[in-house]
Amino acid sequence: DGGITQSPKYLFRKEGQNVTLSCEQNLNHDAMYWYRQDPGQGLRLIYYSQIVNDFQKGDIAEGYSVSREKKESFPLTVTSAQKNPTAFYLCASSPGQGRTYEQYFGPGTRLTVT
Amino acid sequence: AQSVAQPEDQVNVAEGNPLTVKCTYSVSGNPYLFWYVQYPNRGLQFLLKYITGDNLVKGSYGFEAEFNKSQTSFHLKKPSALVSDSALYFCAVRDGGGFKTIFGAGTRLFVKA
Repeated sequence: DGGITQSPKYLFRKEGQNVTLSCEQNLNHDAMYWYRQDPGQGLRLIYYSQIVNDFQKGDIAEGYSVSREKKESFPLTVTSAQKNPTAFYLCASSPGQGRTYEQYFGPGTRLTVT
Repeated sequence: AQSVAQPEDQVNVAEGNPLTVKCTYSVSGNPYLFWYVQYPNRGLQFLLKYITGDNLVKGSYGFEAEFNKSQTSFHLKKPSALVSDSALYFCAVRDGGGFKTIFGAGTRLFVKA
């Protein structure tokens, strides 16, 4: 089955620790995205990548970092510089740079930092 | 700047009745409009999109949406609601010259049996 996987589903960390969220897709999609979802705020774009070895900051990139070394993988690191990291994180992909494409979402990772 | 508004935090409807979830948008160019649905603790699932052409777009699970350029709206509709339609619905927009998609805050649909 083709799709996007995110792991783990739930993640707990202590304040001050960096944590990396995994996102893998086997849809052969060029573009990948990371969103943060908070109650009542919809989805906010953290980073996106249109092609391997290239990525751009979204609207709320501060305190986050990404890499895109392989087409299938787009891991997100939440660093200790992110002031309010507790949230639901969603990874998505789309077939290419075409603006008509819808996005395909993974199941999400719920991160809790205490 | 692009923006999307979903004016209702929650919509309540009885099973079997028609439902409407409202969405208005603002973009500088031609709008590309999308609806997604999210079930609890899950990712979003694509329902339908408007790119060009017929203003009435049909999508998954019996949903449809009507694009109204003069009112800058893209309301989601279904003729007969099911209890299983209860979920969080997101409207999203991308303008013809941009790459980013902007999502609305979401509308929670509750269908009562």
